[in-house]
Amino acid sequence: EVQLVESGGGLVQPGESLRLSCAASGFTFSSFWMAWVRQAPGKGLEWVANIRQDGSNKYYMDSVEGPFTISRDNAKNSLYLQMNSLRAEDTAVYYCARVSPEGLKEAYDIWGQGTMVTVSS
Amino acid sequence: EVVLTQSPATLSLSPGERATLSCTARQSVCSCLAWYQQKPGQAPRLLIYDTSKRATGIPARFSGSGSGTDFTLTISSLEPEDFAVYYCQQRKTFGGGTKVEI
Repeated sequence: EVQLVESGGGLVQPGESLRLSCAASGFTFSSFWMAWVRQAPGKGLEWVANIRQDGSNKYYMDSVEGPFTISRDNAKNSLYLQMNSLRAEDTAVYYCARVSPEGLKEAYDIWGQGTMVTVSS
Repeated sequence: EVVLTQSPATLSLSPGERATLSCTARQSVCSCLAWYQQKPGQAPRLLIYDTSKRATGIPARFSGSGSGTDFTLTISSLEPEDFAVYYCQQRKTFGGGTKVEI
């Protein structure tokens, strides 16, 4: 079964750090672009970052470039998001998503169940 | 910067009715537009990619169309399980969502 499972979320204070992980199974992880997408409570979806198959290209939304780092370990079939200097507005469910191999390759066809990050004092 | 505006914000319909959801871009975008369905407490599910192609396992009652700045998701006859929030997406941008409610 194709699956993504996130972990690492939790409650942190403003300015602190957190590292999210996403374990992939059921497909050849190293063949796919991967992404993080977040959703603040009661709000819509927001793309955060994505990473090329070999990790050579990484892209970020403007507000997280610098504090956040996306990475992957293809040997461990895992995707990561290191989040530093967290702010209240980073509070959200963070989803790991696979970029679809079909067509123009811009959609996200597999999603994890999400992990909640709460930034609050 | 691409901005995607979805309308209406809420669509109130009954099972068996036809749903038409709109996604409008501020500027012409690629045909790489996708649609997702999200139910409470669940992750989004890909329905349509590249404007009109159904993802694996998606029923034929879901269809997508459009080009340039105007795109549409149509659900031909609503089933009870279709009541959810729907998002359009183009590359790194998501629309604000349309809630389809009973």
